Amino acid sequence: EAQVTQNPRYLITVTGKKLTVTCSQNMNHEYMSWYRQDPGLGLRQIYYSMNVEVTDKGDVPEGYKVSRKEKRNFPLILESPSPNQTSLYFCASSPDSYGYTFGSGTRLTVV
Amino acid sequence: DQQVKQNSPSLSVQEGRISILNCDYTNSMFDYFLWYKKYPAEGPTFLISISSIKDKNEDGRFTVFLNKSAKHLSLHIVPSQPGDSAVYFCAASAQSAGAQKLVFGQGTRLTINP
Repeated sequence: EAQVTQNPRYLITVTGKKLTVTCSQNMNHEYMSWYRQDPGLGLRQIYYSMNVEVTDKGDVPEGYKVSRKEKRNFPLILESPSPNQTSLYFCASSPDSYGYTFGSGTRLTVV
Repeated sequence: DQQVKQNSPSLSVQEGRISILNCDYTNSMFDYFLWYKKYPAEGPTFLISISSIKDKNEDGRFTVFLNKSAKHLSLHIVPSQPGDSAVYFCAASAQSAGAQKLVFGQGTRLTINP
């Protein structure tokens, strides 16, 4: 089944403790992207990648890092999480950057 | 600066009637528009899209209308069914640094009443 898989689905962590949210797609898509969803703000792009080793900032990149060492994987790294990074995170992939397939989401709480 | 706006946070419609969801945008460089549907505890799923060279696109019960002069997009669902109850996100994209950059609206929660 064609899909984008994110892990974990739920995560509660403490301020400053580094964490990684994994994302993997099995559709051989070139483009991958991370979004965060917050009430009243919709989905905002954090980072995106056009191919292996090619990444760029989205609209809200502060406090996040990404890497694209393999085509299928695009992990999101929070080096020092803060409470304002409490949010619902979605990874997505696309063959052409026009239409994205989304993962099921990761609900992160930073206390 | 919200480039894509969905001004109605929620909408309630009777089953069988038409649902109309609206979206406004400010960036005239947007050349491709999409609607996504989102159920609780799931990721958004693609519903329908339209290119800026068209003003209408239909797919079954779903029709998207684009009015470029007004910078307005709407999604019509007819007839509405209980399974259509979800949050709907409007999105617009434009070329930026080698990729289409997608910008989402805030979402509209649609409730279909039996």
